[in-house]
Amino acid sequence: KQEVTQIPAALSVPEGENLVLNCSFTDSAIYNLQWFRQDPGKGLTSLLLIQSSQREQTSGRLNASLDKSSGRSTLYIAASQPGDSATYLCAVNNNAGNMLTFGGGTRLMVKP
Amino acid sequence: GAGVSQSPSNKVTEKGKDVELRCDPISGHTALYWYRQSLGQGLEFLIYFQGNSAPDKSGLPSDRFSAERTGGSVSTLTIQRTQQEDSAVYLCASSFSILNTEAFFGQGTRLTVV
Repeated sequence: KQEVTQIPAALSVPEGENLVLNCSFTDSAIYNLQWFRQDPGKGLTSLLLIQSSQREQTSGRLNASLDKSSGRSTLYIAASQPGDSATYLCAVNNNAGNMLTFGGGTRLMVKP
Repeated sequence: GAGVSQSPSNKVTEKGKDVELRCDPISGHTALYWYRQSLGQGLEFLIYFQGNSAPDKSGLPSDRFSAERTGGSVSTLTIQRTQQEDSAVYLCASSFSILNTEAFFGQGTRLTVV
């Protein structure tokens, strides 16, 4: 059974800092990995999708990497802003039905 | 529509009542998913649809839960005889297909059973 772990569970940083969120998964036979953002009381917003054949994806200040063999992904946020404050969720798809197994999330607070 | 739409956004119901939660996927998306997010439990998969068919119902927590999808579009998640442990945010997602594609989520329905 796939298990997804995110470390740290919570993170507080000053504005402008670069930061890395970590995601690890136990079953490396994945199709893809997706990073989401969730604001309080809201749904999930897709940030980046990395296919199993890819090593990284970039969108603006966000960069996600994937090391499938070691079961790890990182989300790098450059020059953090208070508006980046949210919970970041990592989810792995490793079955033909495209269902996702989620990590517990990292709650990020960026202080002005 | 432009995104995944869920209704109602909030639902308070009395224990023992039945509730229906609705999901409108992105137009053209053949795959539809229901997840549940409970406080302290994280996100768990409930059921998915490919078209109108639900190949995997293993994630439904009990036989009080059922779901259907008609016309390859709107889906309804029904919870019968609600219990307090059913209180959670129910999230719906859709994707273009079941094959390795990006999932897009709705805003969720917050269900509170009192």
